[in-house]
Amino acid sequence: ETGVTQSPTHLIKTRGQQVTLRCSSQSGHNTVSWYQQALGQGPQFIFQYYREEENGRGNFPPRFSGLQFPNYSSELNVNALELDDSALYLCASRPTATSGANVLTFGAGSRLTVL
Amino acid sequence: AQKVTQAQTEISVVEKEDVTLDCVYETRDTTYYLFWYKQPPSGELVFLIRRNSFDEQNEISGRYSWNFQKSTSSFNFTITASQVVDSAVYFCALSEAKTGANNLFFGTGTRLTVIP
Repeated sequence: ETGVTQSPTHLIKTRGQQVTLRCSSQSGHNTVSWYQQALGQGPQFIFQYYREEENGRGNFPPRFSGLQFPNYSSELNVNALELDDSALYLCASRPTATSGANVLTFGAGSRLTVL
Repeated sequence: AQKVTQAQTEISVVEKEDVTLDCVYETRDTTYYLFWYKQPPSGELVFLIRRNSFDEQNEISGRYSWNFQKSTSSFNFTITASQVVDSAVYFCALSEAKTGANNLFFGTGTRLTVIP
């Protein structure tokens, strides 16, 4: 059973709207990352948070933003939704931001459809 | 620039056959990690194996084995005696020391179908 849970599992929005996706990580996992997986593609790194601050971002515009909370939960917010934002959004966590040996644990994702 | 290529889009095998999934990577970093993840229809990525750039020792774990060759920048994955439960999309991924362990670069995946 995965230690990372995400909600909602599915949602539908219209272009221009805003969406918030939620993630709950395992206790002690103080690093969280978010990925976007378009249909038929591999996941793409959006950004990562460590101790409630963003400390790494992929090639995504500022309308993609996040929050991390002390209770190991986090959010991904996307403003001004576009049709191309339709994808599976995956949350991943691991215990520390400094060790390269730790492995990311992924959640099952939130599937967003933008109409 | 970093890149992961999985040239096989889809593979179908009959149960009990062996199957090898190919992965070729590109990186300028001398310290990096390679991964294989499995994504069943439920969506979550399940970690299978990690190798660092200094460890070319190949490994066998049950029905799974991995072949890491730095000379050809390849990190191939073999399932022996495949089973229907192995049906999933398999992703090869790369992380570099300079971009951090949270930033994985994934290939486009190989969809494996095991026919009973």
